[in-house]
Amino acid sequence: AQSVAQPEDQVNVAEGNPLTVKCTYSVSGNPYLFWYVQYPNRGLQFLLKYITGDNLVKGSYGFEAEFNKSQTSFHLKKPSALVSDSALYFCAVRETGYQKVTFGTGTKLQVIP
Amino acid sequence: DTAVSQTPKYLVTQMGNDKSIKCEQNLGHDTMYWYKQDSKKFLKIMFSYNNKELIINETVPNRFSPKSPDKAHLNLHINSLELGDSAVYFCASSPVAGGPYEQYFGPGTRLTVT
Repeated sequence: AQSVAQPEDQVNVAEGNPLTVKCTYSVSGNPYLFWYVQYPNRGLQFLLKYITGDNLVKGSYGFEAEFNKSQTSFHLKKPSALVSDSALYFCAVRETGYQKVTFGTGTKLQVIP
Repeated sequence: DTAVSQTPKYLVTQMGNDKSIKCEQNLGHDTMYWYKQDSKKFLKIMFSYNNKELIINETVPNRFSPKSPDKAHLNLHINSLELGDSAVYFCASSPVAGGPYEQYFGPGTRLTVT
């Protein structure tokens, strides 16, 4: 069975500082990993994904994520946080050969001006 | 044009009533989903259809019945609404079932049962 964990309910970071939102996963085989962002009263928007190959994945709005197979992690990062990055972030996993995607519990990112 | 649209955006109703939520996608995708997001923002898959065929049916009360008249539409009918059904319901689509494809979400329908 596949699972994903986001250990932090909330992350606070000062504007201009680097941010990291953590995600770890568990699958039996190989994973497809995704990050989504949800702004208040909106649907989820896709940010980036890892399929295979380069462990550093770049996505929308300057976000990137690093796939670490040995640590089974896929942390979301951004070099310099903006106030407008404040939102709810979801990590998700789909094991290759599976149809279902499992979402994490979400991490609220608060960027402080 | 909105890629994934849902109607209505807000739905307020009383316990015991029956209601429907409609979803349409104009992306040409084969697969559509219904998710429930509760008050703690947890997101749970309910159903998925691939080209009108039900492929994911999670542990959901029988009062919830999805219907896909064609691959661009997925509706959700809820019978005998209960207080615990209050949540935001999201429709989503993806090119195919499975694979390395991201999902495209609709704006959500906020259901409030009083």
